[in-house]
This record gives sequence, C-alpha cells and structure tokens, in this order.
Amino acid sequence: DIVLTQSPATLSLSPGERATLSCRASQSLGNSLAWYQHKPGQAPRLLIYRASSRAAGIPARFSGSGSGTDFTLTISSLEPEDFAVYYCQQRNNWPLFGGGTKVEIK
Amino acid sequence: QVHLHESGPGLVKPSETLSLTCSVSGDSVSGYYLNWIRQPPGKGLEWIGYIYNSGSTNYNPSLKSRVTISVDPSKNQFSLKLNSVTAADTAVYYCEIAGYWGQGTLVTVSS
Repeated sequence: DIVLTQSPATLSLSPGERATLSCRASQSLGNSLAWYQHKPGQAPRLLIYRASSRAAGIPARFSGSGSGTDFTLTISSLEPEDFAVYYCQQRNNWPLFGGGTKVEIK
Repeated sequence: QVHLHESGPGLVKPSETLSLTCSVSGDSVSGYYLNWIRQPPGKGLEWIGYIYNSGSTNYNPSLKSRVTISVDPSKNQFSLKLNSVTAADTAVYYCEIAGYWGQGTLVTVSS
C-alpha cells in the first residue's frame, strides 16, 4: 500500500505569513494527489486536484505543486479563515489520506 | 451543484451492523466513484471504500472484511454497511463524490 506522510504535523504561523505544507508518498503517484482543508464541524473542502489544479471557487493564494512522490501545498499569505487542518489524499485505486497538518495561529 | 446527505442511526450497539445511506441531488450517481470516509474523534480522515459503475468496489484493507458498499441508481443513493462494530468505529461518517462531501453524520457505538 502507498503511504502518505505529511509534514510538519503542526505549523504555527501568523496571518499574512506564507504556509508550506509537504506530502510525501511511499511510491510514485504521478499527479494523482488532492489537497483538502478541514475545519471542525464542517465537511472537508477540496482545494487542489491532480496535484496542482485549483478546485472551483478556491482563492489563488492556494497553490499545489509536485509530482511523483513529493508534493507541496502553499498558502501564499494566510487569511484568518485559513487556520485549519489540511490533508493530502492519493486519487488512485487506493484513495488513502495523509495524517494531516494543522495550521494554527501563532 | 451536487449535494450529498448522510442518514442513518446515530447509535449502534457493539457487535451489530452500522448502516448509512448517502442521498445525492444535483447529479446522477452513475459514472462516479462513490466514497465513504470517516473521522474518529480526535483523529484524521480515514477512507473506508468506494463503489464505481454500480458494481466495482474497493475497500480499505483494514476494514475490508467488515464493509459493504452498494448503490441504488433508481434512488440516486449509495449505502454503507459495517458489521461487527466496536467502540473504535465511533466516528463522523462522510460520503463523497468527485470532491463534493456531505456534512457528515456522527455514529456512536455503545451499549
């Protein structure tokens, strides 16, 4: 099975700062990776699909990059509503999730 | 816009079967991977499994022996059954299609 490892587990930043989240796969995924934002009491929200394509309605400050085994989600300038948990998910036959990165207010 | 809504008992006794239904509006369930995902309290998201093309299924190996996902295209719904539940199956359960998610439903396993 392909395992997704997200780092760091927690990212403490201030509004306006840049956030860089990593997702590493144990085997190559090509570009079959998605990123989700999850807030307490809400459904997860799709941000990025196919590693770098923004989902409909997602602000341009969110960007995804990478392919193969190393992927990155970047939030260029954190807004107050961006503090949440972020998950990567492989979008192949086994759509397992990474363990998540919590972006918290410093 | 696609809308999904999970429904089913919020309380299930240990050793019994958890049954949930996802009702879909705004698009047909046909042709999509229809996923179930859960989040235990204080933990991350866990993919349970999917059904595709009204028959092909794929399940998380850790749950495979206890899970059945089915679809009813005539009702535009798909369902999850998880048998022999324990307290470890207590979680918020979500259904998902192509990036659209339901709001989730909390299922507690307790006697």
